Amino acid sequence: KAGVTQTPRYLIKTRGQQVTLSCSPISGHRSVSWYQQTPGQGLQFLFEYFSETQRNKGNFPGRFSGRQFSNSRSEMNVSTLELGDSALYLCASSPYRRDSKNIQYFGAGTRLSVL
Amino acid sequence: GESVGLHLPTLSVQEGDNSIINCAYSNSASDYFIWYKQESGKGPQFIIDIRSNMDKRQGQRVTVLLNKTVKHLSLQIAATQPGDSAVYFCAENRGGSNYKLTFGKGTLLTVNP
Repeated sequence: KAGVTQTPRYLIKTRGQQVTLSCSPISGHRSVSWYQQTPGQGLQFLFEYFSETQRNKGNFPGRFSGRQFSNSRSEMNVSTLELGDSALYLCASSPYRRDSKNIQYFGAGTRLSVL
Repeated sequence: GESVGLHLPTLSVQEGDNSIINCAYSNSASDYFIWYKQESGKGPQFIIDIRSNMDKRQGQRVTVLLNKTVKHLSLQIAATQPGDSAVYFCAENRGGSNYKLTFGKGTLLTVNP
């Protein structure tokens, strides 16, 4: 079974631009979460989608948004990029469970550099 | 700041030794914990998990210990190998079917041959 696929792997943007990152979850997984990873802040939760609905959201400004499609693929968008948005953006998928056994499987990430 | 944190940012061990990586958490409602391993250039990889109704869980060369009294989690790696060199994160799920994991800052494990 293929793992979580994120595209592109690397991006270079300039301040003020916007960017869209893509994530294809593991087949059959309906939950997709996004995280930002930086050396200073570590892994920080952005948001989580399930059945095309955002279920959870982290403490990020409204410039960060996402969506999920009917095939569970997800995109996240960052508008008006700032230098501090430079980070590794990780996508993770999980199978649906009613309990809290939430094993998230991560992709390799998209490395975003804002100049 | 994050409620899940690590006592040591770096750990250096000799090949063949046992490694112990520690993690503290502060949320009593957390009921599920995971350890991840992240190698350079890769995303975090699941290692082992444990529910809050357990004290210990063993996998292949790894053991996770949970002490709810002091809100402490540890990952023990037996016979550490060079391939174990990576950053290790603990993560907690704060109750129910909340699919938001809170991660610690990470510990860099270096295995010396």
